[in-house]
Amino acid sequence: GAGVSQTPSNKVTEKGKYVELRCDPISGHTALYWYRQSLGQGPEFLIYFQGTGAADDSGLPNDRFFAVRPEGSVSTLKIQRTERGDSAVYLCASSWAGAGEQFFGPGTRLTVL
Amino acid sequence: SQQGEEDPQALSIQEGENATMNCSYKTSINNLQWYRQNSGRGLVHLILIRSNEREKHSGRLRVTLDTSKKSSSLLITASRAADTASYFCATDEGGRGGSEKLVFGKGTKLTVNP
Repeated sequence: GAGVSQTPSNKVTEKGKYVELRCDPISGHTALYWYRQSLGQGPEFLIYFQGTGAADDSGLPNDRFFAVRPEGSVSTLKIQRTERGDSAVYLCASSWAGAGEQFFGPGTRLTVL
Repeated sequence: SQQGEEDPQALSIQEGENATMNCSYKTSINNLQWYRQNSGRGLVHLILIRSNEREKHSGRLRVTLDTSKKSSSLLITASRAADTASYFCATDEGGRGGSEKLVFGKGTKLTVNP
């Protein structure tokens, strides 16, 4: 079966622009996670969805970041007024609730010029 | 914030040798996982060990967990060039309930030379 997919694989934008990053989880997975990974660091948690609702958004760095999962499947991470410090690889993962193991997508590399 | 700290940060060995990576964490956990990452992109789950387990094996992988020391080790035996990757430990936040987020360390970059 298909794994987690993320689009686009690369996104280059200018400072101040708005971007949307998309994640298609594995079919049937109720839990979906967004992480951000800077160069030389481990992934850092951003937000976790259980179904359609955000169960934990404690990792979102500020109100420029927002994520939705309206039908409990595909999720979109939205970043307003991008800053150079937002440049990173954004990783999405999905899992069955309570499973422990998370399945990661290939990531979207965001570069803010 | 990052809870886990892997040690060493980088490790270079010859094919056929064993590689050992260590991870320390700070808070109580329900389980600890190890992931592998190639080329800075998607992570692949390797193994999960629960807080009431002390050792677990999967193929050439052996993981130990010492909850009294808040530490874990990953041993890869008979390494291959294809094992070259970054390895991360990840923990949940045991006892807090409701959130299944993972907290990752900075990783160990393993290079296996042919």
